[in-house]
Amino acid sequence: AQSVSQHNHHVILSEAASLELGCNYSYGGTVNLFWYVQYPGQHLQLLLKYFSGDPLVKGIKGFEAEFIKSKFSFNLRKPSVQWSDTAEYFCAVAYGGSQGNLIFGKGTKLSVKP
Amino acid sequence: EAQVTQNPRYLITVTGKKLTVTCSQNMNHEYMSWYRQDPGLGLRQIYYSMNVEVTDKGDVPEGYKVSRKEKRNFPLILESPSPNQTSLYFCASSQQGARSPLHFGNGTRLTVT
Repeated sequence: AQSVSQHNHHVILSEAASLELGCNYSYGGTVNLFWYVQYPGQHLQLLLKYFSGDPLVKGIKGFEAEFIKSKFSFNLRKPSVQWSDTAEYFCAVAYGGSQGNLIFGKGTKLSVKP
Repeated sequence: EAQVTQNPRYLITVTGKKLTVTCSQNMNHEYMSWYRQDPGLGLRQIYYSMNVEVTDKGDVPEGYKVSRKEKRNFPLILESPSPNQTSLYFCASSQQGARSPLHFGNGTRLTVT
């Protein structure tokens, strides 16, 4: 079965620190890749997406992610985090063979200390 | 305003009492989907619908039913809820399937005692 792994369950950083959250997915041919963010008490919102082309994609609020096909990875990065980035981050993968099935990782909770 | 609306936001019920969580979107999206979110497990897909009258099982469909009689509505039905269905439920929609960005509702927190 196809799967998505997020390596870190909980990450704690101080403001201005750099962030990298890992995401790996199992092989399954063509993929569309997403990062969603869930702020405390809110629903999920799209941070960024990769469909094709430039493997380095930029999203909202200064986030970016790099698709490395050979490593089946789609890591999320931000050079300098802010307290307002405290949230849970979910990586999600839609495999080309399925129009309807979107698989989420288990999420990484980010806590940023002011 | 483009949105996905779920009702109710909070629901406490007892084992075996049928309930329905409604979901409606105003973006004319073809695709709609239900997820449950549990601590440490992330989001797991329950059912999805590619279009009217077309529904399919996700990863955790047991104990749930759905219907898609109209494009805008995609209710989630629990015929006989059990305590292991206590969870946070999200409805989502997109233009075209799981490969398009999803718009999520605000969630329904269900407690089954």
